[in-house]
Amino acid sequence: QSVLTQPPSASGTPGQRVTISCSGSSSNIGSNTVNWYQQLSGTAPKLLIYSNNVRPSGVPDRFSGSKSGTAASLAIRGLQSEDEADYYCASWDDSLNGFVIFGGGTKLTVL
Amino acid sequence: QVQVLESGPGLVTPSETLSLTCAVSGGSINSYYWSWIRQPPGKGLEWIGHIYYSGSTTYNPSLKSRITTSVDTSKKQLTLKLSSVTTADTAIYYCARASGPPHHWFAPWGQGTLVIVSS
Repeated sequence: QSVLTQPPSASGTPGQRVTISCSGSSSNIGSNTVNWYQQLSGTAPKLLIYSNNVRPSGVPDRFSGSKSGTAASLAIRGLQSEDEADYYCASWDDSLNGFVIFGGGTKLTVL
Repeated sequence: QVQVLESGPGLVTPSETLSLTCAVSGGSINSYYWSWIRQPPGKGLEWIGHIYYSGSTTYNPSLKSRITTSVDTSKKQLTLKLSSVTTADTAIYYCARASGPPHHWFAPWGQGTLVIVSS
């Protein structure tokens, strides 16, 4: 069972803008919405972006999501040290009887 | 606000059945989907499946033959049973409230419970 493709790592300095990509196919991202999760070290994942580009209450507007075709991306502007975490994209996959598929995760390092 | 808390045995013997419970507090279990997600140590996330409060289920095809989930609305509890476990099933198991179709997002998540499969 394949996963959505994310770069294993990303980095940036405080204040910078970084983006994390998430590549899928027509059966998942191409026909369904994308959600993003942030996992700080040693904690449970937290919903960061849902339905491609919607921020839940309490998530800073420095975080934004977008989707085009079979790919999605998460952008973080004004990078802060507390943004250092693992980030996962996820989407529904219509193949078989349908299931949720996650990306492999991207470890973001704030230099 | 709703909170979820997983609990389980911590250690399971290979070939046995793993059994976990998720307790929901601070909100209703009704009218929601509830998902199980796992994460092997140091690895990524894997969706196990979800159950609607009415009891209808959808499972990950790769695990479907070994999974049983249930919901007890009176106790506000969910259960996950995974049969014939191997060391590959060693993971942190999370319970999360799910939006269900069409967007399938998860929030909030429980703190997770670590299950080690070992003899």
